[in-house]
This record gives sequence, C-alpha cells and structure tokens, in this order.
Amino acid sequence: AQTVTQSQPEMSVQEAETVTLSCTYDTSESNYYLFWYKQPPSRQMILVIRQEAYKQQNATENRFSVNFQKAAKSFSLKISDSQLGDTAMYFCAFIDGSGNTGKLIFGQGTTLQVKP
Amino acid sequence: GEEVAQTPKHLVRGEGQKAKLYCAPIKGHSYVFWYQQVLKNEFKFLISFQNENVFDETGMPKERFSAKCLPNSPCSLEIQATKLEDSAVYFCASSPSGYGYTFGSGTRLTVV
Repeated sequence: AQTVTQSQPEMSVQEAETVTLSCTYDTSESNYYLFWYKQPPSRQMILVIRQEAYKQQNATENRFSVNFQKAAKSFSLKISDSQLGDTAMYFCAFIDGSGNTGKLIFGQGTTLQVKP
Repeated sequence: GEEVAQTPKHLVRGEGQKAKLYCAPIKGHSYVFWYQQVLKNEFKFLISFQNENVFDETGMPKERFSAKCLPNSPCSLEIQATKLEDSAVYFCASSPSGYGYTFGSGTRLTVV
C-alpha cells in the first residue's frame, strides 16, 4: 500500500530563521507526484509546492523549496526566512501518476509554529 | 469562477438526521474529489468523479453515505442517519486532470 509519513507532529522556528519539515513515502510506482499543502487555522488547503517524480530538479517557490530524494523516498520542505504567517499545519501528499484516479494520499501533518 | 464553492460552511445535525453538503467545482474541471478531515487532522478519501461518473468510491461508507455530480448542478455528498463519528470537516476539490487540485474551504459538520 502507498503511504506517506510525517514523523514530526510539531515544529517551531524563530521568525526569519529556516526550518525543514520531513516527509517520507512508500510506493512501488515510478511515476508519481508529491505535494506540500499548508492548512492555516482557517482550514483552507493551500498548495505550497509540487514535484513531479520524473523531474530531478528540486521544486522551488519563493521561500519554499524541497529536497526530493527519489531513491530514499524522501520529500522534505524547507522554509527560509520564516514569517509569522507561515504558522499552520503542513501536509505532505502523494498522487500515483500511473493512470489511476488521482486520489491524494496524505501524511499525518506537521504543526509549525513561527515565534516572533 | 476560479474557486471551488462549498456550502454550507457549517452544518449542525442531531444524531440520526440527514446531512447534505454541496460543492460547485471550477468550471472546466472534470474531476471532483471528496475528503473527510476528522478532528485528529487525518484526511480520508471518500469518493471521486470524472464528470458525472463515479471514478473511485473505495473510501465511501456505503451504508449511509452517497454522492452525486449531475450536469449543471453542484455536486452533493449526503449522509443519511448521521452519527457522532461523522463530525468532521468535509473538503471538496476539483481538478482539470486528476493531478492538480483546487480545494474548497470545507464544510464543518457537527453531529450532536
């Protein structure tokens, strides 16, 4: 079965510093997509970053970047220059790209607190 | 519009009552997904549609849950005879391809 594991239930970081959230996944597929979603207290699900497994280059979106290690099945999220607005729950998620239904498989989530 | 519209935002039902949630996907998106997020923040996949056809219903508790996506109408998720354990936030998401989602803001269902 395909699984996504986030081993850090809670993290905290000082404003302006850098933090890395961990995610590992398990799949036998070679074609898939990985995502990080942010869920603030409003509960809105916001896409932070997306990575296609066939791309070797790590995805980057402004202050957010990933370290995608395909062989190790690891997909960590780095947040640079942390801001108070980054305080939220972060979910790692996986979609099997081999022609299935596009169902997202989520990790358990990591609560990130950015401290002033 | 460019948002997935879910209604209502909040719904309170007595145990045993029916609950019906609605989702208007983004125009042009042919895939619709429903997820349940329980209080522990875990997401559970319920069902997906490709246009009006059920694509994957492996997550649906079939005894009490049903869903539809009919042409020219919002999609709906209906729970007959709600139970306390159905209390959760229900998210709808739509996608043009099945690989890139836009989520709605969710419906919080409270069963008392």
